[in-house]
Amino acid sequence: DAGITQSPRHKVTETGTPVTLRCHQTENHRYMYWYRQDPGHGLRLIHYSYGVKDTDKGEVSDGYSVSRSKTEDFLLTLESATSSQTSVYFCASLSERGGTTDTQYFGPGTRLTVL
Amino acid sequence: KNQVEQSPQSLIILEGKNCTLQCNYTVSPFSNLRWYKQDTGRGPVSLTIMTFSENTKSNGRYTATLDADTKQSSLHITASQLSDSASYICVVNSLSGGSYIPTFGRGTSLIVHP
Repeated sequence: DAGITQSPRHKVTETGTPVTLRCHQTENHRYMYWYRQDPGHGLRLIHYSYGVKDTDKGEVSDGYSVSRSKTEDFLLTLESATSSQTSVYFCASLSERGGTTDTQYFGPGTRLTVL
Repeated sequence: KNQVEQSPQSLIILEGKNCTLQCNYTVSPFSNLRWYKQDTGRGPVSLTIMTFSENTKSNGRYTATLDADTKQSSLHITASQLSDSASYICVVNSLSGGSYIPTFGRGTSLIVHP
């Protein structure tokens, strides 16, 4: 968990409400990622960023948007939360050195429940 | 489509025993392969990372192997401890179009009994 935090850690919300999750890293990593983890599916990529204002979709991006206005912050927004978005969300950051010298950290996770 | 398959899905062993977890991948272009340990309720933590040219990497009681020809990797745990109970995730990184894209396996759930 070193160098990367997520907020909030837990959130309960109602269907149809907007939700924003925040990821903050202090490693000056170029790459940042948002994943969701559900039983039987492992970690699935939602969106990722390869630099400030540079983002792209992952395999399960529908219903989610992201923004990255600063290197250290990566926001995940659920415009109108649905019960299918109940999950544990992990943020990760990655340096770009490549080979065996790159470093990757995961945040502690955010448990989101949509009622 | 890039894929990472792990086996077994779950494993139960007695404390002090050894075990081996498997990872097969079809990821291209290959950049590196990493094994993670994820304790319940926590984010994954990296155990080992290997590039194409490396075929063995150790981290204490954890030893990872990589066969780039057959696209297989294994994680061997020696003299298991109760604290080894966790999910072990194989991740293959691909550098494509200037972006680093990790492909995750679904993990192997390991339970170590006293």
